[in-house]
Amino acid sequence: DVKVTQSSRYLVKRTGEKVFLECVQDMDHENMFWYRQDPGLGLRLIYFSYDVKMKEKGDIPEGYSVSREKKERFSLILESASTNQTSMYLCASSLRGSASREQYFGPGTRLTVT
Amino acid sequence: GENVEQHPSTLSVQEGDSAVIKCTYSDSASNYFPWYKQELGKRPQLIIDIRSNVGEKKDQRIAVTLNKTAKHFSLHITETQPEDSAVYFCAPRGYGGSQGNLIFGKGTKLSVKP
Repeated sequence: DVKVTQSSRYLVKRTGEKVFLECVQDMDHENMFWYRQDPGLGLRLIYFSYDVKMKEKGDIPEGYSVSREKKERFSLILESASTNQTSMYLCASSLRGSASREQYFGPGTRLTVT
Repeated sequence: GENVEQHPSTLSVQEGDSAVIKCTYSDSASNYFPWYKQELGKRPQLIIDIRSNVGEKKDQRIAVTLNKTAKHFSLHITETQPEDSAVYFCAPRGYGGSQGNLIFGKGTKLSVKP
């Protein structure tokens, strides 16, 4: 069974803290993605990676960075958390290539920055 | 980049009625058109998709139709049931050179009243 897991379901951090969100997939997928989901705004792409050590900016990368040292793991880093980064963060993965573009999502991490 | 719009943003129907959600996109190079369903508190999941060489696809009570000329595709749900209540996202594949990126619409909240 396809599985994408995220390190925490709920997280509360203080303004200025460095925050790590981790995502692991066990499907040997090449592509991995980080989105944030806010009411009325849908899913907005922060960063994605299509291979180990590769990363590309999505639509809203400001204030975030990512790391992909191993194929199965994709980390999202908030260097200095701010209150406007309070959101639901969703990780996803997919196979490379045109055959299948289905994205498999993790359960999400609800981050609150106070 | 791709501009994606979904209509309506909310939709309320009686159980047994049909529901239709429309998605318009701007990138004429888009060639993959999926719909995702997100139930309350759960992760988004693919429910149906269509490729650009096909005009319609059905899977039991759900169907997707594509009009490439007009650059829109629609999700049709017949004989709606309470468990169809969820937020639905269209996600046409955007950038031509990307590695599987999807551009998500803002979502349509469907409520099915028993």
